[in-house]
Parts: sequence; structure tokens; C-alpha cells
Amino acid sequence: IQLTQSPSSLSASVGDRVTITCRASQDISGYLAWYQQKRGKAPKVLIYKASTLQSGVPSRFSGSGFGTDFTLTIRSLQPEDLATYFCQQLHNYPHTFGQGTKLEI
Amino acid sequence: EVQLVQSGAEVKKPGESLRISCEASGYIFTTYWIGWVRQMPGKGLEWMGIIYPDDSDTIYNPSFQGQVTISADKSLNTAYLQWSSLKASDSAVYYCAKHGIPAAHFDSWGQGTLVTVSS
Repeated sequence: IQLTQSPSSLSASVGDRVTITCRASQDISGYLAWYQQKRGKAPKVLIYKASTLQSGVPSRFSGSGFGTDFTLTIRSLQPEDLATYFCQQLHNYPHTFGQGTKLEI
Repeated sequence: EVQLVQSGAEVKKPGESLRISCEASGYIFTTYWIGWVRQMPGKGLEWMGIIYPDDSDTIYNPSFQGQVTISADKSLNTAYLQWSSLKASDSAVYYCAKHGIPAAHFDSWGQGTLVTVSS
């Protein structure tokens, strides 16, 4: 299953609302996760099952979608949100990742 | 607290063998799948495969099948990723990560192991 994220990069300002999309090449139901990776660090899960917020993740992050089209939304962007964001499908093995979206503040 | 602690950076020559490790603590090692993810320099994440430590059931990404071996030692709470003959193209950061519940997302990650293969 191929995952295509858009945009590949974006620049936004503190306080902005940011949306990243992830499109799957086939129906993956709600089996999608979102990760945040800061420079030089391991990824960290933000959202799983398309819309469930991982414990400890700020509520400004939210996820939605089902089937083939998914979105990650960051409400009121903060400076610490500078990172690359990846989606991952959990429907079929191998659990492929999207190519990433680099977010610049 | 769940922790995954990976072995240190490695510098190897093409053709050499290598095994890197991931020691788990803070949870019952045998009851969660644990996997490996590759990140080549400046690139994205690639799911390599996962292992269930209790019975060593392993699922590989076909792209990595035959190129690496994933194993686990439940007596040591440690997962391994090994190569029998490294190539320059194996140079990357390798992360281990533990499956979450109820979905198969990776909810805890190791710090990463940098592998450099160069003659």
C-alpha cells in the first residue's frame, strides 16, 4: 500500500492552523497513525486509528479520515512543532510510511 | 516507564557482518511485537519487519526479506537486527520500536543506531 503525503513541505507561522494530508493507494479503513520526528530524534506517535490522540500529546493535534483520505491538523501552531510528520498505514503488512511532510515555522 | 535502549553507532566495511541490539524494559517484553525501522540519510522511514518475542514469529517487509535477520532473546528482553554481509547502501539510522495497543502503531521508540558502511 502506497501512502502519499501532501504537501512535502510547508512554512507556517506561530498560531496558524496547519493541515497535512495522507492519501492511501487502497482502502485502509481507519488503520492510520501519524508521527512527529524532530531533527536528530526518534519519531514519536501523535495519533493512531486515524483520530485517537496518543496519551500525553497536546490537544492541538487532531486526526481525521477513513478509507483512503486522512488529515492531520495542528490547531494554533507552536514553535516546538517544527518537525517532519509521517503517516503510517496499519492495515496490511508491510506497514508502510508516507514520504513525510517537513514543517517549517 | 517503557524504555528501548539501542546499541551504539557502528562503522563497518562492505562484506562484514553486524548485529545491533535493542534492550527493552518497563513492560512485559514477550507480549508486544517489536520492530525495526530504517531511515537513510535525509530520507523517510521504512518499515523493515517485526517480531513477537514470545514465540519469535517474524514478519518481514519483502524489500528487506533475505537482506537482514530479526531475532529476539526473551531471556535478555532484547531484540536484534543483523546482517551477514553489509553493503554501503545499508548505511542508515536504524530504530527499534514497540507496538502499541490496540492498533499496531509504534508507541515507543529506541534512540536509534547509526550504521556506517564504508571501505
